[in-house]
Amino acid sequence: SQWGEENLQALSIQEGEDVTMNCSYKTYTTVVHWYRQDSGRGPALIILIRSNEREKRSGRLRATLDTSSQSGSLSITAAQCEDTAVYFCATDARLSGSFNKLTFGAGTRLAVCP
Amino acid sequence: GPKVLQIPSHQIIDMGQMVTLNCDPVSNHLYFYWYKQILGQQMEFLVNFYNGKVMEKSKLFKDQFSVERPDGSYFTLKIQPTALEDSAVYFCASSFDKTNTEVFFGKGTRLTVV
Repeated sequence: SQWGEENLQALSIQEGEDVTMNCSYKTYTTVVHWYRQDSGRGPALIILIRSNEREKRSGRLRATLDTSSQSGSLSITAAQCEDTAVYFCATDARLSGSFNKLTFGAGTRLAVCP
Repeated sequence: GPKVLQIPSHQIIDMGQMVTLNCDPVSNHLYFYWYKQILGQQMEFLVNFYNGKVMEKSKLFKDQFSVERPDGSYFTLKIQPTALEDSAVYFCASSFDKTNTEVFFGKGTRLTVV
C-alpha cells in the first residue's frame, strides 16, 4: 500500500490479470483521487471517490473507500499493456472552505506485459 | 481534454541564479497550483493561488520562491536564488473549482541546479 514515507512500490503482472493497489491515509479527507502518471507526463485523474461513496466504477477501474479505516483501493480488471504507469492516490486533506491541497502517496509502478 | 502547458520541459541552471518556470493553465480555470517531485518520491504540494494571491503554501515553499500570474498570462514560479536541493520536477496544475474537483496537471518542468 502507499502513503507517507513509503517508497514507490512496483507490481508486475501479465495481461488479462486483475490487480488491486491499496492506499491508506492519515488525516481526514472528503475525497480520494486516483491519478496515473505515464513516463514523461504529468499525473492524470482516472477516478475520484467521495467520502459518502464506498465504491466507484469507471470502465475496468473500481475504487473503494473505507473512511473508518482511512483506506482505499484501486482495482483494474483484465489489465492491458496500456495500463502500465505509476498510480497515485491523493487525498484532499483540507479544512472546510479551504482550497485543493492534494497530498499524494508514494505511488505504485504497475508494469503489464514484458 | 483540457491541457496545462509548461515551458520549458527541462532547465539547467547554475546554483545561485534565478529561474522562472512558466505555466499556461486551462483557460477557464481559476485556481492554480505548484507541486514538486524529487526523483523516485511522491509529489508534494508547494502552493495554491487564486485571484492574484497565494492562498496556502507548504513548508517546502521557501522564502526564495514566489508565484504570480500578471494580467492573466502565464502562472509563474520563480526561485531566486536557486540551491542544489531545488533540483526536481515541478508540476503546475489548475482547477475550475476550489474543492472536490479534478485538478489538471502539466507535464512538468525538470529543473537541474548544478
